[in-house]
Amino acid sequence: SQELEQSPQSLIVQEGKNLTINCTSSKTLYGLYWYKQKYGEGLIFLMMLQKGGEEKSHEKITAKLDEKKQQSSLHITASQPSHAGIYLCGADLQGAQKLVFGQGTRLTINP
Amino acid sequence: DAGVIQSPRHEVTEMGQEVTLRCKPISGHNSLFWYRQTMMRGLELLIYFNNNVPIDDSGMPEDRFSAKMPNASFSTLKIQPSEPRDSAVYFCASRSRSVFTDTQYFGPGTRLTVL
Repeated sequence: SQELEQSPQSLIVQEGKNLTINCTSSKTLYGLYWYKQKYGEGLIFLMMLQKGGEEKSHEKITAKLDEKKQQSSLHITASQPSHAGIYLCGADLQGAQKLVFGQGTRLTINP
Repeated sequence: DAGVIQSPRHEVTEMGQEVTLRCKPISGHNSLFWYRQTMMRGLELLIYFNNNVPIDDSGMPEDRFSAKMPNASFSTLKIQPSEPRDSAVYFCASRSRSVFTDTQYFGPGTRLTVL
């Protein structure tokens, strides 16, 4: 969806390096969701952010929602091969249940 | 919990045939969503249900597509007749909502190929 722009579209990093994926909207985000997808599989829920300035972490993955609630970032520290996959951000733009998704960021981790 | 269950996982059919995709949501979830994922258009919401009632089907591409949810534990997405452009991965998701969380959980998807 063009309502959500993810960057970069693809990313190749060396194992052990840090990386950041961004998700930007032109509209206020009522809820921002990060999912991970591996080829041939469904989406795995990572984190959900609702409040401006909110930050959540799980293991080595940290997600933030900016104060204006129009941009989110996903940061991975000390990347591992298990982090490889496609990361998708999904957003509730209407305060309803409908989610729109970004095009995804394909992450490759080189050993 | 087994998570969201979808069947079949893969479906290959010929143009013009009827296709039925099935979904069993997570027990206790009262919202169910059908999505379609393609390389060109990404992940798109087709329709969603609350308490078995269709709420928004504005994403359903054509009259060839229909979805039902006869009870809280089962939903179907039907395409009749199918066309090659319907080839995609179809995901079902169910939603858990409480004071503490509001999250959609996805099934493994059905990969549909229409020849």
